Amino acid sequence: DAGVTQSPTHLIKTRGQQVTLRCSPISGHKSVSWYQQVLGQGPQFIFQYYEKEERGRGNFPDRFSARQFPNYSSELNVNALLLGDSALYLCASSLMGNTEAFFGQGTRLTVV
Amino acid sequence: GIQVEQSPPDLILQEGANSTLRCNFSDSVNNLQWFHQNPWGQLINLFYIPSGTKQNGRLSATTVATERYSLLYISSSQTTDSGVYFCAVTPGYELNFGKGTSLLVTP
Repeated sequence: DAGVTQSPTHLIKTRGQQVTLRCSPISGHKSVSWYQQVLGQGPQFIFQYYEKEERGRGNFPDRFSARQFPNYSSELNVNALLLGDSALYLCASSLMGNTEAFFGQGTRLTVV
Repeated sequence: GIQVEQSPPDLILQEGANSTLRCNFSDSVNNLQWFHQNPWGQLINLFYIPSGTKQNGRLSATTVATERYSLLYISSSQTTDSGVYFCAVTPGYELNFGKGTSLLVTP
């Protein structure tokens, strides 16, 4: 079975631009969560979606938004990119959101 | 929010040595997971262990939920064990991560 897949794997954007990251969960999983990991830190929670509804949101500005589609895949959008948005963005898939989470390989975003 | 503290922050071992990593958390949790982050950034699941003890090969983990801590044991370490080990807890739905333990195993 396929694990959690994220695309793209690497991305370089310019300050002020917008970016969309994509995630496909494990088949049968209905929850997708997004995390941001900056160098030297543990991942920080951004969003969780379950059954296409936003279940939780971390302490991130409104420039960050996300959605979940009927097939349970998800997109994370970041507008008006700042240099500080440079990070590894991780997607996690779980059956129900509070059960065991499995991560994709991440998208490494560099803002220049 | 919940606090997750991992110790030690850094650890250097010679191949074959044993080690214990600790995770303390400040409040009751529903779930606890241990991950190994490889050099390419992917988080590899090691244990899903809200309570009790589990073993998987050279690795084992124990969570004492009533005392709010978990331990990860690595026995007979190998160079491939190098990387960052994270503990993450779920008080509600989202994972709250510690800052990790950076492990280097030397030949």
